[in-house]
Amino acid sequence: DSGVTQTPKHLITATGQRVTLRCSPRSGDLSVYWYQQSLDQGLQFLIQYYNGEERAKGNILERFSAQQFPDLHSELNLSSLELGDSALYFCASSVAVQGRAPGELFFGEGSRLTVL
Amino acid sequence: SQQGEEDPQALSIQEGENATMNCSYKTSINNLQWYRQNSGRGLVHLILIRSNEREKHSGRLRVTLDTSKKSSSLLITASRATDTASYFCATDDKSQGNLIFGKGTKLSVKP
Repeated sequence: DSGVTQTPKHLITATGQRVTLRCSPRSGDLSVYWYQQSLDQGLQFLIQYYNGEERAKGNILERFSAQQFPDLHSELNLSSLELGDSALYFCASSVAVQGRAPGELFFGEGSRLTVL
Repeated sequence: SQQGEEDPQALSIQEGENATMNCSYKTSINNLQWYRQNSGRGLVHLILIRSNEREKHSGRLRVTLDTSKKSSSLLITASRATDTASYFCATDDKSQGNLIFGKGTKLSVKP
């Protein structure tokens, strides 16, 4: 058990809909990362938050947004869903210190999104 | 953006054999990490090697780093069927401080 909790584990929805994925990081971890893993693809970095503020942005679509709340949990919002958005979405956390290279990331078990 | 690229994409060996996976990256790094992922599960950290280190061991794992060639290798000795998984290398993006993953090597260890 990594200590990172993601909900829901599975989600099936239709094209055009909007979903919210939730992540609770390990106790004490200030950094939260979101990754997308499609079939036969590696992990695509989406976005990182540090202590409530956006710190780094990857190839995140404009239809996607995220935030980190004062209690450090994070939500990833996916809207106007398309078939190609079907993927595993992972959240990870770390004790990353501002301005220093990230150390070990602790991953949740992922949220599997299926868009029909 | 920089990305680790693992090689080979897939590897199938017999139990007891050694498995070697390679990773190449594009720009300078602070550290390089290896992770393991069982099918459909979350990634688990295996080992971190800093840019000023050349080799590191952890149990049956041996990682090397050659910063002049921008490459790393992960060796799993005396493999077991339970080592069957995908293995990813990850490098830090110095400009942003996040981790960039490669596409992974899918290792199958046959009993």
